[in-house]
Amino acid sequence: EIVMTQSPATLSVSPGERATLSCRASQSVSTNLAWYQQKPGQPPRLLISDASTRATGIPARFSGSGSGTEFTLSISSLQSEDFAVYYCQQYNNWPPWTFGQGTKVEIK
Amino acid sequence: EVQLVESGGGLVQPGRSLRLSCSASGFTFGDYALSWVRQAPGKGLEWVGLIRSKSYGGTTDYAASVKGRFTISRDDSKSIAYLQMSSLKTEDTGVYFCAVGGRYFDYCGQGTLVTVSS
Repeated sequence: EIVMTQSPATLSVSPGERATLSCRASQSVSTNLAWYQQKPGQPPRLLISDASTRATGIPARFSGSGSGTEFTLSISSLQSEDFAVYYCQQYNNWPPWTFGQGTKVEIK
Repeated sequence: EVQLVESGGGLVQPGRSLRLSCSASGFTFGDYALSWVRQAPGKGLEWVGLIRSKSYGGTTDYAASVKGRFTISRDDSKSIAYLQMSSLKTEDTGVYFCAVGGRYFDYCGQGTLVTVSS
């Protein structure tokens, strides 16, 4: 099973600033990596697939990069609606499909 | 617009069974794999299982934690997927989401809460 590790657990950022979230896989997942955003009481929403492809309707301030075992989700200028928990998920080696433990982006 | 609506959650005693349903609309249901993902209270996301489309044999995969206890099925004529859960344990408590997709999960429903407690 591939273990996904996200860092940091919590990221405190001021509105308008840039946020950088990291995700590391225990072995290579190529670019078979997705990112999700989840707000309290809501389901996860797909942001990025294939490590860097934004999903339909996702603003350009969200960008993904990386391959192999190291991945990054960047939010260029945080808006109030971006404060949430973010998860990475690999789909290279399955089953199981595995998620990271999440990074909470909170208001500084 | 893609819509997924889960139902069937509730309070159930350990060792008992429960069946969840996922009713879909807004896309050609039979063409897609359907997954179940759960979230324990205050915790992260955990993939539970998946059923592929008939084009891919309609086969299923399960997480080790539920294999042998949970069964996923689908009725393409009704655009509904099911998660049959048996021998439930307290650690199965959480919100269960159905999701479209067999690699990543394009859309998720709002979820249904399952509480396993005596």
